[in-house]
Amino acid sequence: ETGVTQSPTHLIKTRGQQVTLRCSSQSGHNTVSWYQQALGQGPQFIFQYYREEENGRGNFPPRFSGLQFPNYSSELNVNALELDDSALYLCASSLRDIEEGSGNTIYFGEGSWLTVV
Amino acid sequence: AQKITQTQPGMFVQEKEAVTLDCTYDTSDPSYGLFWYKQPSSGEMIFLIYQGSYDQQNATEGRYSLNFQKARKSANLVISASQLGDSAMYFCAMREGDAGNQFYFGTGTSLTVIP
Repeated sequence: ETGVTQSPTHLIKTRGQQVTLRCSSQSGHNTVSWYQQALGQGPQFIFQYYREEENGRGNFPPRFSGLQFPNYSSELNVNALELDDSALYLCASSLRDIEEGSGNTIYFGEGSWLTVV
Repeated sequence: AQKITQTQPGMFVQEKEAVTLDCTYDTSDPSYGLFWYKQPSSGEMIFLIYQGSYDQQNATEGRYSLNFQKARKSANLVISASQLGDSAMYFCAMREGDAGNQFYFGTGTSLTVIP
């Protein structure tokens, strides 16, 4: 058990719709990142939030957006869904200390499987 | 250029034998971290082992060890005494500098342990 929970676990959406995926981080973790993992591929970094601010972004269009809340839970929103958005979406959380640098204990959730039809 | 390269799409190993999963990386940042994760069919990424770029010794965690060859930019995972439960996808990942949870992942290696 990593203490990182994601919801929903599976969902099916129609092309053009919008989706919100949620991540509840391990208690006290101030850094959360989101990854997209297409079938047969490694995860691709979407973006990262540190203390409620976006703190790094991968090569994804603006229709992928996110939020981190004061309790450090997080959302990933995807607008105007395309067929290629079908993937496993993973959330990862950690406790990051700016002075001491990044920790090496980073916990992933079990992911949300999104199918776009 | 790919940041992380895993050249073995699939590997088979006999139960109780050792197996090496290959990983090479590419970075110009002198400070980086290398990670190995196991991903069963459920989807969760399970942390196995970490190696920092300045670490002098190879990392070990139980049956897992990381063969770190800095000059060759390789970070191979060695699993000793394979068990049936080791059958899964294995991903090598790199974090550059102080990038928090921002990883570059390889394409993974599917390991099957044969009884």
